[in-house]
Amino acid sequence: DTAVSQTPKYLVTQMGNDKSIKCEQNLGHDTMYWYKQDSKKFLKIMFSYNNKELIINETVPNRFSPKSPDKAHLNLHINSLELGDSAVYFCASSRTGWNGYTFGSGTRLTVV
Amino acid sequence: KNEVEQSPQNLTAQEGEFITINCSYSVGISALHWLQQHPGGGIVSLFMLSSGKKKHGRLIATINIQEKHSSLHITASHPRDSAVYICAEGYGGATNKLIFGTGTLLAVQP
Repeated sequence: DTAVSQTPKYLVTQMGNDKSIKCEQNLGHDTMYWYKQDSKKFLKIMFSYNNKELIINETVPNRFSPKSPDKAHLNLHINSLELGDSAVYFCASSRTGWNGYTFGSGTRLTVV
Repeated sequence: KNEVEQSPQNLTAQEGEFITINCSYSVGISALHWLQQHPGGGIVSLFMLSSGKKKHGRLIATINIQEKHSSLHITASHPRDSAVYICAEGYGGATNKLIFGTGTLLAVQP
Protein backbone atom coordinates (compact mmCIF):
# COMPACT_ATOMS: atom_id res chain seq x y z
CA ASP A 1 0.00 0.00 0.00
CA THR A 2 1.58 3.23 -1.16
CA ALA A 3 1.47 5.89 1.56
CA VAL A 4 1.40 8.91 -0.76
CA SER A 5 0.37 8.13 -4.30
CA GLN A 6 0.39 10.47 -7.27
CA THR A 7 -1.14 10.00 -10.69
CA PRO A 8 -0.10 10.09 -13.39
CA LYS A 9 3.61 9.31 -13.05
CA TYR A 10 4.35 10.80 -16.47
CA LEU A 11 2.40 13.45 -18.36
CA VAL A 12 3.29 14.79 -21.79
CA THR A 13 1.06 17.50 -23.17
CA GLN A 14 1.01 20.40 -25.57
CA MET A 15 1.30 24.06 -24.69
CA GLY A 16 -2.01 25.66 -23.91
CA ASN A 17 -3.67 22.49 -22.61
CA ASP A 18 -5.20 22.10 -19.16
CA LYS A 19 -4.12 19.14 -17.04
CA SER A 20 -4.56 17.77 -13.53
CA ILE A 21 -2.32 15.77 -11.22
CA LYS A 22 -3.89 13.83 -8.37
CA CYS A 23 -2.48 12.98 -4.97
CA GLU A 24 -3.84 10.77 -2.22
CA GLN A 25 -2.38 9.80 1.15
CA ASN A 26 -3.54 6.98 3.41
CA LEU A 27 -1.46 7.97 6.43
CA GLY A 28 -4.11 9.94 8.23
CA HIS A 29 -2.04 13.12 7.88
CA ASP A 30 -3.81 16.47 7.98
CA THR A 31 -1.38 18.54 5.91
CA MET A 32 -0.55 18.06 2.24
CA TYR A 33 1.86 19.86 -0.05
CA TRP A 34 2.83 20.34 -3.65
CA TYR A 35 6.52 20.88 -4.42
CA LYS A 36 8.05 21.60 -7.82
CA GLN A 37 11.47 20.26 -8.85
CA ASP A 38 12.93 22.19 -11.74
CA SER A 39 15.40 21.09 -14.41
CA LYS A 40 18.30 21.78 -12.04
CA LYS A 41 16.73 19.42 -9.50
CA PHE A 42 15.94 22.28 -7.11
CA LEU A 43 12.82 21.71 -5.00
CA LYS A 44 10.52 24.54 -4.03
CA ILE A 45 7.22 24.61 -2.23
CA MET A 46 4.14 25.65 -4.18
CA PHE A 47 1.12 25.02 -1.97
CA SER A 48 0.13 23.58 1.35
CA TYR A 49 -3.28 22.59 2.67
CA ASN A 50 -4.10 21.84 6.28
CA ASN A 51 -7.45 20.15 6.90
CA LYS A 52 -8.62 21.19 3.43
CA GLU A 53 -7.65 24.83 4.05
CA LEU A 54 -5.00 26.59 1.95
CA ILE A 55 -2.18 27.77 4.22
CA ILE A 56 0.71 28.30 1.81
CA ASN A 57 0.64 29.77 -1.67
CA GLU A 58 4.19 30.64 -2.65
CA THR A 59 3.84 33.15 -5.49
CA VAL A 60 2.67 30.52 -7.90
CA PRO A 61 0.95 31.76 -11.11
CA ASN A 62 -2.80 31.62 -10.82
CA ARG A 63 -2.86 29.14 -13.71
CA PHE A 64 -2.10 26.65 -10.95
CA SER A 65 -5.08 25.83 -8.78
CA PRO A 66 -4.86 23.30 -6.00
CA LYS A 67 -7.99 21.60 -4.72
CA SER A 68 -8.40 19.55 -1.57
CA PRO A 69 -11.75 17.76 -1.47
CA ASP A 70 -10.81 16.13 1.84
CA LYS A 71 -7.78 15.70 4.12
CA ALA A 72 -6.56 12.68 2.18
CA HIS A 73 -6.52 14.28 -1.26
CA LEU A 74 -4.78 17.25 -2.82
CA ASN A 75 -5.06 17.72 -6.56
CA LEU A 76 -3.24 20.20 -8.75
CA HIS A 77 -4.91 21.64 -11.82
CA ILE A 78 -2.87 23.62 -14.31
CA ASN A 79 -4.48 25.80 -16.98
CA SER A 80 -2.90 27.01 -20.21
CA LEU A 81 0.27 25.00 -19.79
CA GLU A 82 3.53 26.68 -20.72
CA LEU A 83 6.92 25.23 -21.63
CA GLY A 84 8.32 26.50 -18.34
CA ASP A 85 5.87 24.35 -16.42
CA SER A 86 7.87 21.28 -17.41
CA ALA A 87 9.17 19.85 -14.14
CA VAL A 88 8.67 17.06 -11.66
CA TYR A 89 5.86 17.77 -9.22
CA PHE A 90 5.98 16.08 -5.83
CA CYS A 91 3.11 15.69 -3.46
CA ALA A 92 3.89 15.24 0.24
CA SER A 93 2.06 14.96 3.52
CA SER A 94 2.71 15.48 7.21
CA ARG A 95 0.79 15.70 10.45
CA THR A 96 0.34 18.74 12.66
CA GLY A 97 2.73 18.51 15.61
CA TRP A 98 5.07 16.14 13.77
CA ASN A 99 7.78 17.59 11.57
CA GLY A 100 8.25 14.48 9.48
CA TYR A 101 7.35 14.25 5.83
CA THR A 102 6.27 11.54 3.42
CA PHE A 103 6.71 12.18 -0.29
CA GLY A 104 4.95 10.78 -3.30
CA SER A 105 6.96 9.35 -6.17
CA GLY A 106 6.55 12.44 -8.34
CA THR A 107 4.83 13.33 -11.60
CA ARG A 108 7.11 14.24 -14.49
CA LEU A 109 5.29 16.85 -16.57
CA THR A 110 6.64 17.63 -20.03
CA VAL A 111 5.07 20.44 -22.00
CA VAL A 112 5.87 20.40 -25.72
CA LYS B 1 21.87 33.42 -1.64
CA ASN B 2 19.91 30.30 -0.87
CA GLU B 3 18.66 29.96 2.66
CA VAL B 4 20.11 26.44 2.77
CA GLU B 5 23.59 25.79 1.43
CA GLN B 6 25.05 22.37 0.79
CA SER B 7 28.58 21.27 0.00
CA PRO B 8 29.95 19.76 -2.01
CA GLN B 9 27.60 19.94 -4.98
CA ASN B 10 29.19 16.89 -6.55
CA LEU B 11 31.11 14.11 -4.86
CA THR B 12 32.78 11.03 -6.31
CA ALA B 13 34.04 8.37 -3.93
CA GLN B 14 35.49 4.91 -4.09
CA GLU B 15 33.55 2.06 -2.57
CA GLY B 16 34.32 1.75 1.12
CA GLU B 17 35.20 5.39 1.66
CA PHE B 18 33.76 7.53 4.47
CA ILE B 19 31.63 10.32 3.04
CA THR B 20 30.58 13.63 4.55
CA ILE B 21 28.05 16.07 3.13
CA ASN B 22 27.60 19.42 4.82
CA CYS B 23 24.59 21.68 5.17
CA SER B 24 24.36 25.23 6.52
CA TYR B 25 21.13 27.10 7.07
CA SER B 26 20.43 30.69 7.93
CA VAL B 27 17.26 30.83 10.00
CA GLY B 28 16.08 29.21 13.19
CA ILE B 29 14.28 26.01 12.37
CA SER B 30 12.07 23.39 13.90
CA ALA B 31 13.92 20.46 12.33
CA LEU B 32 16.58 19.72 9.75
CA HIS B 33 15.77 17.05 7.19
CA TRP B 34 18.06 14.85 5.14
CA LEU B 35 16.50 13.31 2.06
CA GLN B 36 17.69 10.94 -0.65
CA GLN B 37 16.70 10.92 -4.30
CA HIS B 38 17.88 8.29 -6.76
CA PRO B 39 18.06 9.25 -10.46
CA GLY B 40 14.56 9.43 -11.84
CA GLY B 41 13.25 8.38 -8.48
CA GLY B 42 11.16 9.59 -5.65
CA ILE B 43 12.28 11.35 -2.49
CA VAL B 44 12.94 9.32 0.63
CA SER B 45 13.24 10.87 4.05
CA LEU B 46 16.43 9.69 5.76
CA PHE B 47 16.57 11.76 8.93
CA MET B 48 14.74 14.50 10.72
CA LEU B 49 16.66 16.01 13.61
CA SER B 50 16.52 19.04 15.82
CA SER B 51 19.52 18.32 18.03
CA GLY B 52 22.44 15.98 18.48
CA LYS B 53 22.95 12.96 16.31
CA LYS B 54 20.97 10.16 14.69
CA LYS B 55 22.16 6.89 13.18
CA HIS B 56 20.47 4.50 10.83
CA GLY B 57 22.58 1.67 9.49
CA ARG B 58 25.62 3.18 7.77
CA LEU B 59 24.14 6.67 7.80
CA ILE B 60 24.77 9.21 10.55
CA ALA B 61 23.36 12.72 10.75
CA THR B 62 24.51 15.40 13.16
CA ILE B 63 23.35 18.92 13.82
CA ASN B 64 24.84 21.91 15.63
CA ILE B 65 22.01 24.32 16.37
CA GLN B 66 24.27 27.15 17.53
CA GLU B 67 26.31 27.05 14.33
CA LYS B 68 23.26 26.27 12.14
CA HIS B 69 25.14 23.41 10.56
CA SER B 70 24.39 19.76 9.89
CA SER B 71 26.37 16.91 8.38
CA LEU B 72 25.39 13.62 6.81
CA HIS B 73 27.98 10.86 6.99
CA ILE B 74 28.01 7.59 5.12
CA THR B 75 30.33 4.91 6.43
CA ALA B 76 31.67 2.08 4.23
CA SER B 77 30.08 3.64 1.14
CA HIS B 78 28.64 1.37 -1.53
CA PRO B 79 27.66 2.00 -5.18
CA ARG B 80 24.00 1.68 -4.19
CA ASP B 81 24.50 4.84 -2.08
CA SER B 82 24.86 6.79 -5.34
CA ALA B 83 22.06 9.35 -5.31
CA VAL B 84 21.32 13.01 -4.68
CA TYR B 85 21.31 13.90 -1.00
CA ILE B 86 19.28 16.93 -0.06
CA CYS B 87 19.07 18.79 3.20
CA ALA B 88 16.07 20.91 4.01
CA GLU B 89 15.13 23.17 6.88
CA GLY B 90 11.71 22.53 8.33
CA TYR B 91 9.75 25.50 9.62
CA GLY B 92 7.44 23.41 11.76
CA GLY B 93 4.36 25.04 13.20
CA ALA B 94 1.24 25.57 11.15
CA THR B 95 2.95 25.56 7.78
CA ASN B 96 5.74 23.02 8.36
CA LYS B 97 7.09 23.92 4.95
CA LEU B 98 10.50 22.73 3.83
CA ILE B 99 13.17 24.97 2.31
CA PHE B 100 15.58 22.83 0.36
CA GLY B 101 19.27 22.97 -0.33
CA THR B 102 20.50 22.46 -3.87
CA GLY B 103 21.49 18.87 -3.27
CA THR B 104 24.73 16.88 -3.41
CA LEU B 105 25.15 14.41 -6.24
CA LEU B 106 27.09 11.44 -4.88
CA ALA B 107 28.62 8.79 -7.12
CA VAL B 108 30.26 5.83 -5.43
CA GLN B 109 32.45 3.85 -7.77
CA PRO B 110 33.17 0.15 -7.29
